[in-house]
Amino acid sequence: GEDVEQSLFLSVREGDSSVINCTYTDSSSTYLYWYKQEPGAGLQLLTYIFSNMDMKQDQRLTVLLNKKDKHLSLRIADTQTGDSAIYFCAESIGSNYKLTFGKGTLLTVNP
Amino acid sequence: DSGVTQTPKHLITATGQRVTLRCSPRSGDLSVYWYQQSLDQGLQFLIQYYNGEERAKGNILERFSAQQFPDLHSELNLSSLELGDSALYFCASSVGGGPRQDTYEQYFGPGTRLTVT
Repeated sequence: GEDVEQSLFLSVREGDSSVINCTYTDSSSTYLYWYKQEPGAGLQLLTYIFSNMDMKQDQRLTVLLNKKDKHLSLRIADTQTGDSAIYFCAESIGSNYKLTFGKGTLLTVNP
Repeated sequence: DSGVTQTPKHLITATGQRVTLRCSPRSGDLSVYWYQQSLDQGLQFLIQYYNGEERAKGNILERFSAQQFPDLHSELNLSSLELGDSALYFCASSVGGGPRQDTYEQYFGPGTRLTVT
């Protein structure tokens, strides 16, 4: 079945790297996504990875996918206070376009 | 700005009432998705329309219905409202989402915050 799990909180110092982790249970996940939600705002698509890829890099963001362990991570290099937000991991399965989300990880960046 | 617009931004209504939430997708997008975000349930998929037709259904209550119009905007109708329906309702859109497997990126609007008192 579908289930996406994330740790709820992460606190880092400005300038450090942040790593947000996610596990999913459905091995037929096709795409895995990272969204960012700032207070009072909608969800911003940060990046996504196809399930046959291991890694995707986009500027300060690096996504790693371990399909064997069903583990996805988002690394944010040189984390800034503007990166403080809730980060959601999500999956879509096959030709089903609906997104199944984790509960979100609240990232707090301390100056 | 994702290009997806939702109105109204906030809605306060009483139990038993009916409301309509509106969404305009990004220009060129054929699919519209509705999601509900609440503290206890998190983000849950409700329903998807593709080019005017219902494409997928999630955990949508029978009291809720949606449609997508020829100009591709969508409305989510919530009736016989209960306190537990208080939530943020998001609309998302994507270019594809139809029978042919294609683009998988969904772009979200700013949401409508519904408060039922």
